[in-house]
Amino acid sequence: DTEVTQTPKHLVMGMTNKKSLKCEQHMGHRAMYWYKQKAKKPPELMFVYSYEKLSINESVPSRFSPECPNSSLLNLHLHALQPEDSALYLCASRKEGTRDYEQYFGPGTRLTVT
Amino acid sequence: AQSVSQHNHHVILSEAASLELGCNYSYGGTVNLFWYVQYPGQHLQLLLKYFSGDPLVKGIKGFEAEFIKSKFSFNLRKPSVQWSDTAEYFCAVFDTGRRALTFGSGTRLQVQP
Repeated sequence: DTEVTQTPKHLVMGMTNKKSLKCEQHMGHRAMYWYKQKAKKPPELMFVYSYEKLSINESVPSRFSPECPNSSLLNLHLHALQPEDSALYLCASRKEGTRDYEQYFGPGTRLTVT
Repeated sequence: AQSVSQHNHHVILSEAASLELGCNYSYGGTVNLFWYVQYPGQHLQLLLKYFSGDPLVKGIKGFEAEFIKSKFSFNLRKPSVQWSDTAEYFCAVFDTGRRALTFGSGTRLQVQP
């Protein structure tokens, strides 16, 4: 199983809502990532988790709150978002502790903030 | 921080034409380089990767890339493109500082039938 799954596929939320994005992998990967991708732009790194601990936060606003409850799951909690936060949110995973640096990407959640 | 640059932002080719997309990386040490493709409305897929060894890397769907250390380049090639190759192509480097991929700006390939 080389799949990273993400739910929901699409999400529309108002600026006062609280919602969560979910990412799951069963490849035994211990590094997990959140990226944000705007239309016609490359993915931009948001957060890196290594062995369930947050290791990198790329100065992301606090209205985005990541969580890694176990080695297979990664959540992104959203609160009080702005319309400019509308984007495709990608989750990825990677095998830690080896020289295999390939990241496996999920299909993404397309978020629209109204 | 390690970075990559892609200078071709939009490429238009006819079917059966040959393709070469440029990618240059910034770091002079050991690099781990990737090409990903994103078809319209679909998620990122790995085309090929280079860690070490043979500088000519073969990927999926007939793509290949050549790592040229002296030119800091990792260009993507395909001898004959098809309409189905229409997509966005991203070069990426694994940034050992952040332990994550850094992507180039992307090249939009449009193949006309």
